[in-house]
Amino acid sequence: DIQMTQSPSTLSASVGDRVTITCRASQTISYLLAWFQQKPGKAPKLLIYGASTLQSGVPSRFSGSGSGTEFTLTISSLQPDDFASYYCQQYWSYWTFGQGTKVEIK
Amino acid sequence: QVQLVQSGAEVKNPGASVKVSCKASGYIFTDYVIHWVRQAPGQRLEWMGWIDTGNGNTRYSQDFQGRVTIARDTSATTAYMELSRLMSEDTAVYFCARAKSHIPATGEDWGQGTLVTVSS
Repeated sequence: DIQMTQSPSTLSASVGDRVTITCRASQTISYLLAWFQQKPGKAPKLLIYGASTLQSGVPSRFSGSGSGTEFTLTISSLQPDDFASYYCQQYWSYWTFGQGTKVEIK
Repeated sequence: QVQLVQSGAEVKNPGASVKVSCKASGYIFTDYVIHWVRQAPGQRLEWMGWIDTGNGNTRYSQDFQGRVTIARDTSATTAYMELSRLMSEDTAVYFCARAKSHIPATGEDWGQGTLVTVSS
């Protein structure tokens, strides 16, 4: 099974900050990596797929990069609506998710 | 618009089974596979399996092999997930998600989630 590891687990930031979350796969997954945002009591929302392609309707302050085993999600200027948990997911071989990163208000 | 609407919350005794439904609308049902994912309180998302809605083929996570059954009814555009021999550790929110068929793909749209509580 492919394991996904995110860092950090929790991130404290202020509105307007640039935020970066890292995700590492236990083996190469090419570019088959997605990022989700999840708010309490809600379903995950797809932000990015193919490591760097923005899902329709997602603000351009979100961006993704990487390939192989190392990936990043960047929020260029954190907005109040962005305080949430973020998960990476590989879909190279079935689906596996990272443990999540909670973005909190500093 | 695309919608995946799941059945309501369930409370079950240990050892029982639960069946959750996922009603799809707004797209051609058989053009997408349906995945099932669960999330225990405070835990990461955990993939359970998927069904090819076109031919009914299924794949299950080894973590649930033998306890989970995923099915679909194309005339009702509905997918089902049944989990048997429930334990307290199966208390979680269960989600369905649709993904493109025939290629590696992630979940574009998700159901609202169904809380399953296992307690005596």
